[in-house]
Amino acid sequence: IQMTQSPSSLSASVGDRVTIVCQASQDINTYLNWYQQKPGLAPRLLIYDASKLQTGVPSRFSGSGSGTYFTFIITSLQPEDIATYYCQQYDNVPRLTFGQGTKLEIQ
Amino acid sequence: DVNLEESGGGLVLPGGSLRLSCAASGFMFDAYTMNWVRQAPGKGLEWVSCITGSSHKKFYADSVRGRFTISRDNDKNSVHLDMNNLRDEDTATYYCVRDGGGSWGRGTLVTVSS
Repeated sequence: IQMTQSPSSLSASVGDRVTIVCQASQDINTYLNWYQQKPGLAPRLLIYDASKLQTGVPSRFSGSGSGTYFTFIITSLQPEDIATYYCQQYDNVPRLTFGQGTKLEIQ
Repeated sequence: DVNLEESGGGLVLPGGSLRLSCAASGFMFDAYTMNWVRQAPGKGLEWVSCITGSSHKKFYADSVRGRFTISRDNDKNSVHLDMNNLRDEDTATYYCVRDGGGSWGRGTLVTVSS
């Protein structure tokens, strides 16, 4: 299963609504995770099962979608949200696949 | 709290071998499939291998099959990745990841270079 993320990079201002799209090459139901990775750190799980917020993750992060089309939204961008974001499918276990990442920068 | 700590990374010559280890704590280790995921410098994430809780099933990415071997010791709450015939393109930070993706180690850097 191939995962295609867009855009590959994004520049936005504090307070903006940010949307990242992830498309799967075949139906993966809702078996999708979203991660945040800051430089020098391991990825952090934000969203699982396409739309469920991991414990401790701020509510400005959300996810939606099913089948082959998924979106990840930050409703009001904060300076600490600067990172690279990845989607990852787990329908075709054990062979997990990741999107290529979206690098988010402050404008 | 769940804790995963990798070790064993370093500089190795092409064609060489290395053994990575991951020490786990804070959860029922033998109940979880464990994964290795790697990230080449400045690149994205790539799943490498996984092993079920009982060690009955092991899976590998095409890029490492036949060269890497995953194993685990449930008595010592540890998982290992034996890497042989290393190539330049294996250079990466290797992360130990608990099934589900909610817990990652800090990673260990493997550099394959002459």
